[in-house]
Amino acid sequence: GNSVTQMEGPVTLSEEAFLTINCTYTATGYPSLFWYVQYPGEGLQLLLKATKADDKGSNKGFEATYRKETTSFHLEKGSVQVSDSAVYFCALSDKGGNNRKLIWGLGTSLAVNP
Amino acid sequence: DTAVSQTPKYLVTQMGNDKSIKCEQNLGHDTMYWYKQDSKKFLKIMFSYNNKELIINETVPNRFSPKSPDKAHLNLHINSLELGDSAVYFCASSQYIGSYEQYFGPGTRLTVT
Repeated sequence: GNSVTQMEGPVTLSEEAFLTINCTYTATGYPSLFWYVQYPGEGLQLLLKATKADDKGSNKGFEATYRKETTSFHLEKGSVQVSDSAVYFCALSDKGGNNRKLIWGLGTSLAVNP
Repeated sequence: DTAVSQTPKYLVTQMGNDKSIKCEQNLGHDTMYWYKQDSKKFLKIMFSYNNKELIINETVPNRFSPKSPDKAHLNLHINSLELGDSAVYFCASSQYIGSYEQYFGPGTRLTVT
């Protein structure tokens, strides 16, 4: 079945460091790919998405490119801030049958120190 | 304006009790979900409803019963609570069943003692 694998956390960085959180997937067909972010004490919110190969999603300085050849959707940010401390979830759309749902990675916790 | 709201935010109860969590969305969305997030942040879908019709019912104990009185509301009733039910429960909604852009509520932290 479809699945998502994220790098394990926690990831700890200093402010202004470069961030990469790896995400790879296994899927049949052509899923859409997503990154969601969960700030402490809050629900998840969509950060960015890509719907087809070579698409780049971007938002709030974060970027991720849908790479079909490597089945990856790595999240990057050039200069992280303390306010980026959160848990980041990679997800893909599972379009099988009537069960339209997201397949979630396990989440990667990011802590940014001043 | 809160898009997806849940009540209560915190729920502490004893084993064996029955409790309910309520969810409302004012986005005009057709589809709503319940998720369970454990202490390691693992997110598991439990149910989804589309226009009040049950669409997804994952392998959840039948002590959990969702109810959707209208498409803006999705409630979760839990019977005979167990220690393992302790988690954060999130309600979410999306515009339609094939839309994967989901809007989450703030969560309900359930603690069973």
